[in-house]
Amino acid sequence: EAQVTQNPRYLITVTGKKLTVTCSQNMNHEYMSWYRQDPGLGLRQIYYSMNVEVTDKGDVPEGYKVSRKEKRNFPLILESPSPNQTSLYFCASRPGTGGWYEQYFGPGTRLTVT
Amino acid sequence: QQQVKQSPQSLIVQKGGISIINCAYENTAFDYFPWYQQFPGKGPALLIAIRPDVSEKKEGRFTISFNKSAKQFSLHIMDSQPGDSATYFCAASDRPSGNTPLVFGKGTRLSVIA
Repeated sequence: EAQVTQNPRYLITVTGKKLTVTCSQNMNHEYMSWYRQDPGLGLRQIYYSMNVEVTDKGDVPEGYKVSRKEKRNFPLILESPSPNQTSLYFCASRPGTGGWYEQYFGPGTRLTVT
Repeated sequence: QQQVKQSPQSLIVQKGGISIINCAYENTAFDYFPWYQQFPGKGPALLIAIRPDVSEKKEGRFTISFNKSAKQFSLHIMDSQPGDSATYFCAASDRPSGNTPLVFGKGTRLSVIA
């Protein structure tokens, strides 16, 4: 089954404790990205990757890191989480870098930072 | 600056009624307008999309109407059903290649009541 998977689905952590949210897609997609979803703010892009070893900042990159060492994986790293990073996070992928391609979203990771 | 303005924020419709969600944009370079549907606990999924060379696109009970001169587009859900209850996001994109992040509206939470 073609899909984007994320782990963990739920995470409660404390301020400053480094964490990684994994993302993997099995569709051989070039383009992957991370979004956060907050009430009243919709979906905002954090980082994106157009291919292996090619990553760049989205609209809200502060406090996050990413890496793309393999085409299928795109982990999101919070080196020192803070309460304002409490949010619902989605990984997404699409076949090409162009905006006309359908974007496939993972099931989401709900992160709470206390 | 929000590039895609979506309204209303929430919508309650009787079963069998018509649900209408509106979006407006400012960037005249946008040329791809998808709608994404998100059920609770799930990631958004592409519902229907339109390019500005047509004024309307219909897929089953879902129709996108597009008004290029007014820079507006809307989603109509005919014969709304309780199973349509979800959050709907409009989006826009302006290039076929390169990092073309989808610019999302803030979302509309639709509740269809029996």
